[in-house]
Amino acid sequence: GAGVSQSPSNKVTEKGKDVELRCDPISGHTALYWYRQSLGQGLEFLIYFQGNSAPDKSGLPSDRFSAERTGGSVSTLTIQRTQQEDSAVYLCASSLALGDGGTEAFFGQGTRLTVV
Amino acid sequence: AQSVTQLDSQVPVFEEAPVELRCNYSSSVSVYLFWYVQYPNQGLQLLLKYLSGSTLVESINGFEAEFNKSQTSFHLRKPSVHISDTAEYFCAVSPNTGFQKLVFGTGTRLLVSP
Repeated sequence: GAGVSQSPSNKVTEKGKDVELRCDPISGHTALYWYRQSLGQGLEFLIYFQGNSAPDKSGLPSDRFSAERTGGSVSTLTIQRTQQEDSAVYLCASSLALGDGGTEAFFGQGTRLTVV
Repeated sequence: AQSVTQLDSQVPVFEEAPVELRCNYSSSVSVYLFWYVQYPNQGLQLLLKYLSGSTLVESINGFEAEFNKSQTSFHLRKPSVHISDTAEYFCAVSPNTGFQKLVFGTGTRLLVSP
């Protein structure tokens, strides 16, 4: 696609429910990242995928958070038993994985999650 | 580990005035440095980056940033701002080996008024 696509753009859910957030990266980008943008916390790294593998998932806040990537393309971030502190904008980014930290990462517009 | 500090949460300026958005970082390893911009209701966009070579880097819309290793800074400047520059600006660093694990500052909101 032309850019990184995330869905839904907005999600309101009740505390305790599970949610799934989807990311479609730019075609051909083998690296995929999830970040979280919340008030007072700024932008936090959650997880990185290289292909379908996740070499670094150190930013996932708790075991309620999980992510997978299939076919080296689409990724899903799942939050189980949502809590109010999970409310944030979840951003996905993708890049060509050249083994070089300077490769530009392209960001989607994010999913705004509100837990009520 | 890395950390990024943007001391100014908000910077109000008048149109055509110069502006500087400050960024300081700390890291135990060599890093690449980035400035991202987020316009209202839009996603993050890369504004400019420093990887190596000349310490002064420029963007296509007139912004520039200078890497100062001794002061561990990467301040963003523009000599004359436009209303359209109103946005949130994020400084970020990433280790210069391995994948790009961006560590962001908390952002600076630039408010340009007529």
